[in-house]
Amino acid sequence: NAGVTQTPKFRVLKTGQSMTLLCAQDMNHEYMYWYRQDPGMGLRLIHYSVGEGTTAKGEVPDGYNVSRLKKQNFLLGLESAAPSQTSVYFCASVQDWAYEQYFGPGTRLTVT
Amino acid sequence: DAKTTQPPSMDCAEGRAANLPCNHSTISGNEYVYWYRQIHSQGPQYIIHGLKNNETNEMASLIITEDRKSSTLILPHATLRDTAVYYCIVRPISGAGSYQLTFGKGTKLSVIP
Repeated sequence: NAGVTQTPKFRVLKTGQSMTLLCAQDMNHEYMYWYRQDPGMGLRLIHYSVGEGTTAKGEVPDGYNVSRLKKQNFLLGLESAAPSQTSVYFCASVQDWAYEQYFGPGTRLTVT
Repeated sequence: DAKTTQPPSMDCAEGRAANLPCNHSTISGNEYVYWYRQIHSQGPQYIIHGLKNNETNEMASLIITEDRKSSTLILPHATLRDTAVYYCIVRPISGAGSYQLTFGKGTKLSVIP
């Protein structure tokens, strides 16, 4: 049982490039989340999903898109990366919203 | 508006109890108090949550005041591995905001040998 995994762990992009971050969970959880964390700050919610095929905007959705085609996977896309998107990205999943969220190890993204 | 207020940092001697306070004076009757921690840039880890009663699990105890305007997370015997940033989060049971956790800056707890 791997829990929540994130791919890749590290990435450096040039401004304007695109990429997709993959979050996978093997706990059959319904809810999945993408957060970003800037230095010295708490996590901020980008997008979330309450089930396969659904997505919703969080606190800071601009510049990101998401998809949840399979229940176990939640993809975060950056269509045209900007230096302001340099951050650590965390994915989380939970079976029911009231329960504890399980977080992945994070993806460290640098945009130059 | 921040829903919770926590001290930015605290120290605790190894083996002693660590008491982390959180003020949530505007909490409403349908909001839970959650605690998570983040060790050295890893993903946050759930610790405990409660509504109005005190709660205890294998990691910690949560003491909520009777008026629910503040709470304290207690780590009974702190170890060096408990050095982390601790987040106190208020979350509604239903309605807007119920699906998500809103993280503040938390309290940086340093356990000292």
